[in-house]
Amino acid sequence: DTAVSQTPKYLVTQMGNDKSIKCEQNLGHDTMYWYKQDSKKFLKIMFSYNNKELIINETVPNRFSPKSPDKAHLNLHINSLELGDSAVYFCASSRPTGDGGTNEKLFFGSGTQLSVL
Amino acid sequence: GQNIDQPTEMTATEGAIVQINCTYQTSGFNGLFWYQQHAGEAPTFLSYNVLDGLEEKGRFSSFLSRSKGYSYLLLKELQMKDSASYLCALHDFNKFYFGSGTKLNVKP
Repeated sequence: DTAVSQTPKYLVTQMGNDKSIKCEQNLGHDTMYWYKQDSKKFLKIMFSYNNKELIINETVPNRFSPKSPDKAHLNLHINSLELGDSAVYFCASSRPTGDGGTNEKLFFGSGTQLSVL
Repeated sequence: GQNIDQPTEMTATEGAIVQINCTYQTSGFNGLFWYQQHAGEAPTFLSYNVLDGLEEKGRFSSFLSRSKGYSYLLLKELQMKDSASYLCALHDFNKFYFGSGTKLNVKP
């Protein structure tokens, strides 16, 4: 009963190829995200969707195209892969912390390690 | 960005107490969060603060001082399984801004 699941876990591919990463959450959360973690371990937000609608696009190259067919799924398609795209990509979903404010608690998938050769 | 700074790496002994600091420069945020990330795994939620002060959750506590731009995570009774990276993050308008994390090595 995995909460946030993403596939594949490892992705090795050549420069110039197109690849997709899939993500699904069974937590009933309204908001989903894609984060990129580089070699220096910085986690940076790429996209956020709320109920299938894009709410954050963090100046990511348009080679990256997220798609949310429903609020439980957020897939990431990457065109014309470049060496600099090598990183670990984390899908996440969130729910309010319940403290009456606007804070959210993130739940991450296990990550996809993308290696572009 | 939010200029979130954490020490890169720390070492502590099993059974001891360790404090991991996080400083930031920002005009405002909703809450400050701490996540634990074991090597090769996903980050998992540990604790968060909205108001100044100490939040205690078992062996883990987190402290926030908004006026000083400072937070810390306190880990008590360290166990070997606590060896991991600890990420400080600010939540602001649907975004989380993460620090680069502090790698904690717990030795016997």
